Amino acid sequence: GENVEQHPSTLSVQEGDSAVIKCTYSDSASNYFPWYKQELGKRPQLIIDIRSNVGEKKDQRIAVTLNKTAKHFSLHITETQPEDSAVYFCAASMNSGGSNYKLTFGKGTLLTVNP
Amino acid sequence: KAGVTQTPRYLIKTRGQQVTLSCSPISGHRSVSWYQQTPGQGLQFLFEYFSETQRNKGNFPGRFSGRQFSNSRSEMNVSTLELGDSALYLCASTSGIQNTEAFFGQGTRLTVV
Repeated sequence: GENVEQHPSTLSVQEGDSAVIKCTYSDSASNYFPWYKQELGKRPQLIIDIRSNVGEKKDQRIAVTLNKTAKHFSLHITETQPEDSAVYFCAASMNSGGSNYKLTFGKGTLLTVNP
Repeated sequence: KAGVTQTPRYLIKTRGQQVTLSCSPISGHRSVSWYQQTPGQGLQFLFEYFSETQRNKGNFPGRFSGRQFSNSRSEMNVSTLELGDSALYLCASTSGIQNTEAFFGQGTRLTVV
């Protein structure tokens, strides 16, 4: 089955700096890669996602890149703010027209943004 | 629209007991997935239901089971509880269309003593 590795497990940056979290996946059939943010005591919430037919996607300060050949994808957060502090999870999924929906998650990265 | 609702929010059970957790998806969503979240293992997929049918199952023992009703609400059952079953159980709701966002509930915190 699919396996997703996520690095680093913890990341501490100064406010205003950039943060990068990297993930690799094992199943070349995976075609959907969401990123979730989970604040302490709260539910995971989608912050950005990318599909395998796209190499890069950006939403304000957040961007995701995908390299299908190398089977890795990365989350980039620019101009970090204290409210970006949370645990970030990457995930991979292989969905095809009405088939099952299963997300395989990385172990998470605890991001701390220091004021 | 209302989000994903999980009940109860907290549970304390004794080893050997069984427990049933409930998840009400977003209105119109037909797919419900369940995940176990622990500090050591992160988020692990349990199973997914779509239109009352289990479409996929993760690598958990048979003590973990689930079902989905005609209104898309889902329940998850764990029998013969073990200490290691202590975790946050999250359900996620999707429309069923491929590669769309999964919306998570707040989770049920299960503690087995």
